[in-house]
This record gives sequence, structure tokens and C-alpha cells, in this order.
Amino acid sequence: TQLLEQSPQFLSIQEGENLTVYCNSSSVFSSLQWYRQEPGEGPVLLVTVVTGGEVKKLKRLTFQFGDARKDSSLHITAAQPGDTGLYLCAGAYGNNRLAFGKGNQVVVIP
Amino acid sequence: DAMVIQNPRYQVTQFGKPVTLSCSQTLNHNVMYWYQQKSSQAPKLLFHYYDKDFNNEADTPDNFQSRRPNTSFCFLDIRSPGLGDAAMYLCATRVVGGTYNEQFFGPGTRLTVL
Repeated sequence: TQLLEQSPQFLSIQEGENLTVYCNSSSVFSSLQWYRQEPGEGPVLLVTVVTGGEVKKLKRLTFQFGDARKDSSLHITAAQPGDTGLYLCAGAYGNNRLAFGKGNQVVVIP
Repeated sequence: DAMVIQNPRYQVTQFGKPVTLSCSQTLNHNVMYWYQQKSSQAPKLLFHYYDKDFNNEADTPDNFQSRRPNTSFCFLDIRSPGLGDAAMYLCATRVVGGTYNEQFFGPGTRLTVL
């Protein structure tokens, strides 16, 4: 079983602050994706990281893949209320499968 | 716009009454997935189709069945819903040969069992 642990489970911050959330595993993944899910909606793909040590930026969001491809982090700079949501990380394994973490619930207070 | 569509968005059924959830896609993707997501839980893969080939997860209850009559449509049948089957059901697609197993999700169907 591929297990992805996300921490913290819940994070509440003021608008304009920075935050970092984490996704950790004991397994190596060929790729790792981050999704954002809003209440009552399906997850929306934000980014895929593939190479150990890779850093990708999406506007104010910075994603990093660990050197050993077992972990990843998401850093949000100057958070906005629109960043509120459940951030899910998912690792690719086997044929056609993704293992998901439980998510990081982020709330940005105006 | 190309997309994954799920109907209905909200479904209420009674304990033991069969229910069918539907998913359609205009992306022409080979692979279609059904996930179950309960509150504060990770999405749990139930099964997926690679074209017409059905792949069931080992721990998916027999109560859950699926049909894929063509590339565009996929159905989730719950034969005798129990209270524990109340959840969000997510459909997703992926194109074979696409980048790194990226999956594209529909908006989900929220199932309530009374």
C-alpha cells in the first residue's frame, strides 16, 4: 500500500501571510501531483513534479519534490482568500494508479 | 470546453435501493476512474477502465459495479446502498501516453443514503 501523509491537516492563516504544507511518504514515486479541491467540487490539478529536487512555480505557489522523490512541499506566498481549499498530493504508482494523501485544509482569512 | 461531467451532482437514495451514478467525458481519454471520498479522507480508488478493460481494486466491495458502454460514458452502480456508502463519488479520466498519470476530475456526485 502506497501511503502519503500530509501535514498539517488543517491550517488557518491571515491574508498576506506565507504558509508551507508537506506531503511525505516512505515510498518512491515516479511523479507526484498536487490538486486543490473546493467544498462540493472535484480536485483540480495544479502541478506535476517528476525529477528529484525539482521546483515548480505557479504564480504565488511553489512546489518542490524531494531529492529522493518520496516527499514534496507546497509553499504559498502572500496567501489570498482564493487560496482557501483542500490541497491533495497524489503519487503515481503501478499501472494507471494514483495514491492520495488526506489533504491539507487551508483557510485564508481576509 | 473539454471536460468531465457527472450527473446528478446530488443523489439521495434509501437504504438498500439501487442507485446509478453517471460520468461522461469529452476529452476522449482512454482511462476512466471511480473514486469514493468520505469527509476528511483521501479519495479511494474503487475501479478503473483502460479502454474496455475493467480493473477492480482488491478491497472494493461487490456491492459496487461499473459499466463503460463507450469511450465517453462510465457508470457506477451501487446495488444495495448502506449508510456507510454515503460519500462523494468522483469520476476521473486520463489519456494513455499523457504526462505522468495526470488525472482530470469531474465535480463529483454527493450521495446521501437515508
